[in-house]
Amino acid sequence: GAVVSQHPSWVICKSGTSVKIECRSLDFQATTMFWYRQFPKQSLMLMATSNEGSKATYEQGVEKDKFLINHASLTLSTLTVTSAHPEDSSFYICSARDVQGSTEAFFGQGTRLTVV
Amino acid sequence: SQKIEQNSEALNIQEGKTATLTCNYTNYSPAYLQWYRQDPGRGPVFLLLIRENEKEKRKERLKVTFDTTLKQSLFHITASQPADSATYLCALDEQAGTALIFGKGTTLSVSS
Repeated sequence: GAVVSQHPSWVICKSGTSVKIECRSLDFQATTMFWYRQFPKQSLMLMATSNEGSKATYEQGVEKDKFLINHASLTLSTLTVTSAHPEDSSFYICSARDVQGSTEAFFGQGTRLTVV
Repeated sequence: SQKIEQNSEALNIQEGKTATLTCNYTNYSPAYLQWYRQDPGRGPVFLLLIRENEKEKRKERLKVTFDTTLKQSLFHITASQPADSATYLCALDEQAGTALIFGKGTTLSVSS
């Protein structure tokens, strides 16, 4: 199956700093990528849909100025958590679907963010 | 309101038995329903997809059923093994290419 690579797999940062998470589709092109957040024992909650070459679409309640998404190419989307606070500590996962219309989704390995 | 419910947060079974996991949804009209496996600290991995006009799908020891009248999918793992221990997520796909909507998952533990 297709591969989505997410980096870093874990990060610890100080409160008030920014963290960038990268998501790459390695062997296919992804017009659209999705960013999810998952708290312990909870479901994956969609944060935003990242569209190549245009602005991301954010879900209700997700601050677009805090979670900056850039999708500059068909193989790379980045999520930057700006001015991180302890409540932003979570597991962030990106996902991509092949432009050819395959209906399964491919997920990155996830990034464990801890803000101290 | 729209809901996806996986009725058991945890399921414990003996090795060799069949595990049956349930996914119910309300106020959705999914074109597809998908099942994923998630191991701790990892992203979900695709297992099976079933379309709204399909009743059943099989892959090796896995079987999925989809009843759009009951708005329910059942996910079966036959001859379960300790290596099957993981969290299993059902996901709805209302339109191909859009974001998947996930249930909370059922954590399966298979003991030897």
